[in-house]
Amino acid sequence: AQRVTQPEKLLSVFKGAPVELKCNYSYSGSPELFWYVQYSRQRLQLLLRHISRESIKGFTADLNKGETSFHLKKPFAQEEDSSMYYCALSPQGGSEKLVFGKGTKLTVNP
Amino acid sequence: DTEVTQTPKHLVMGMTNKKSLKCEQHMGHRAMYWYKQKAKKPPELMFVYSYEKLSINESVPSRFSPECPNSSLLNLHLHALQPEDSALYLCASSQRVPYEQFFGPGTRLTVL
Repeated sequence: AQRVTQPEKLLSVFKGAPVELKCNYSYSGSPELFWYVQYSRQRLQLLLRHISRESIKGFTADLNKGETSFHLKKPFAQEEDSSMYYCALSPQGGSEKLVFGKGTKLTVNP
Repeated sequence: DTEVTQTPKHLVMGMTNKKSLKCEQHMGHRAMYWYKQKAKKPPELMFVYSYEKLSINESVPSRFSPECPNSSLLNLHLHALQPEDSALYLCASSQRVPYEQFFGPGTRLTVL
């Protein structure tokens, strides 16, 4: 069965500090991995997907198949990054199902 | 139009009421989804429609009945709900899988 684990329920950093939100997955094939962000009173929106290898709002994430991880990183956190972050997995083969982790609430303090 | 819209924004209903949630997208997406999200929890998938056909039903109670009248519309019909069904109901769509899903703002449902 597919599973996504975000070990930190809460993460607090100071503005300008580096931040890393951890995501580990369990899946025997080659999944698609995503990071979604849900700002307060706003809709859930895609932040990154591993296949595109892009950087959005200064965030990057690298898929490490050996460690089955897809950690989200930003070198210098900003206060506006404070939000709930969800890591999600889509199984191989065109499944329509997204499996979400439980989420990490990031707080960036001034 | 690059958004998923949902109506109503808020809904309060009694346990004997019948109501419907509506979702609309005009991005030409062929997959549409209903999720339920409780406070401080991730979204839980309820239903998936692919090319207007129900392709996934995550063992949702029959008091929730989805309907996809056409490729742009998705409804969720509610009947005889329980207070524990109170949650944020999210609609999403995607061009195809496993591409990104675009989410609507949600309907905040309260069952009294």
